[in-house]
This record gives sequence, C-alpha cells and structure tokens, in this order.
Amino acid sequence: DGGITQSPKYLFRKEGQNVTLSCEQNLNHDAMYWYRQDPGQGLRLIYYSQIVNDFQKGDIAEGYSVSREKKESFPLTVTSAQKNPTAFYLCASSILGAGEKLFFGSGTQLSVL
Amino acid sequence: GIQVEQSPPDLILQEGANSTLRCNFSDSVNNLQWFHQNPWGQLINLFYIPSGTKQNGRLSATTVATERYSLLYISSSQTTDSGVYFCAGRSNDYKLSFGAGTTVTVRA
Repeated sequence: DGGITQSPKYLFRKEGQNVTLSCEQNLNHDAMYWYRQDPGQGLRLIYYSQIVNDFQKGDIAEGYSVSREKKESFPLTVTSAQKNPTAFYLCASSILGAGEKLFFGSGTQLSVL
Repeated sequence: GIQVEQSPPDLILQEGANSTLRCNFSDSVNNLQWFHQNPWGQLINLFYIPSGTKQNGRLSATTVATERYSLLYISSSQTTDSGVYFCAGRSNDYKLSFGAGTTVTVRA
C-alpha cells in the first residue's frame, strides 16, 4: 500500500538528548514536510524539502534539524536546543505543481522525561 | 504566510444534523485544502479546493476566492464525523498555513 510511515509512534526524550523521528513515503512525492501540533492548536511548519539534498526552514525551525538524502526519506532530529519539545509531530508529502494535495503520516508523540 | 481563521472553534451536533464550518483567509490563495483529524491524530485530506464547489458523499466544500473564504458542509452528520476539521491555505510563498481548527462532536 502507498503511504507515509512515521516511527516511532511514541518517543520519550531525556534532558540534553537529541532524538530522531523517522518519516518514509512510497508515494514518489517530490516534496516532504514536518509539522508540529500542540494541544488545541493548528499545525506549524518546521521544515520542508522540495528536492533531494535541499530543504528550507519553516516558521519554527529553531532547535530542529533535517536531512533529505533520499527522495523517500525525511528524518527530523529534535536537538537539545529545543527547550519545549513535547508535541505531536506530523510528516507530510505532496507532488509539486498545480493541485498539490498534502498527505500525512500518522504522527509521533514526543514527550520529555 | 497568510493568516487563516476558522469558525466556530467548537461545534456539538446531534446525529443527523447538518452544519457549516467557515474558513477566512487574510490574502488571496492559490491552494486551499480541508482536512479531518480523527481522535487518534490521523489527518485525512478531504478537499483540495482553491475555488468553486466540490462534493464527496455527505461532505461538500465551496471556496469563494475573491471574498477570501471557504465553507465546509457536513450533511446528515454521523458519530464518525467527530474530530477536528482544519483548513489550510497558501498564497504566493510555498508555505501552507493552517487554521486553529473546528472541533466537531456528533452525539448519538
């Protein structure tokens, strides 16, 4: 089945630790995105990538890093510089061009121990 | 990115009722989408609708781009329609901006 796979579903971070969230898609989409969702709020864009080996900061990139070495993979690292990392993280992908609908993975809930 | 305002923030419906959700945006958009987030967090794309009207079963959406708003209609609501509905729009930059959502609760 085609889709977007995020792992793990739940993740716990200790103080000072970096953690990496995985996002893989087999939809052959060019663009991939990471969003953060806090309780009762909308989604905010962290990073996005339109092509392999290239990515751009979104609205809240501080304390996060990404890589795009393969078209199908877009991992997000939450660094120790992110002081309030507890949130629900959603990965998405889309084709580029007219009519680019956004499709989402099932999300990762990150909590701080 | 543009500012997106959704109303109402919360909606409680009796099963079988109809409802309308609204999305206003601060600038003209060339990409407007509606999503449904279920209680487990999964976001499903309902409509890509930068202008005009579309229907999908009991759901339909209308975007009036010149007046900078979009409406989502739910007819004959069912308990499975519960969740949070988001609209998202994009203007000239590449970023899709999301509204804060409308939380819909359908009671049996």
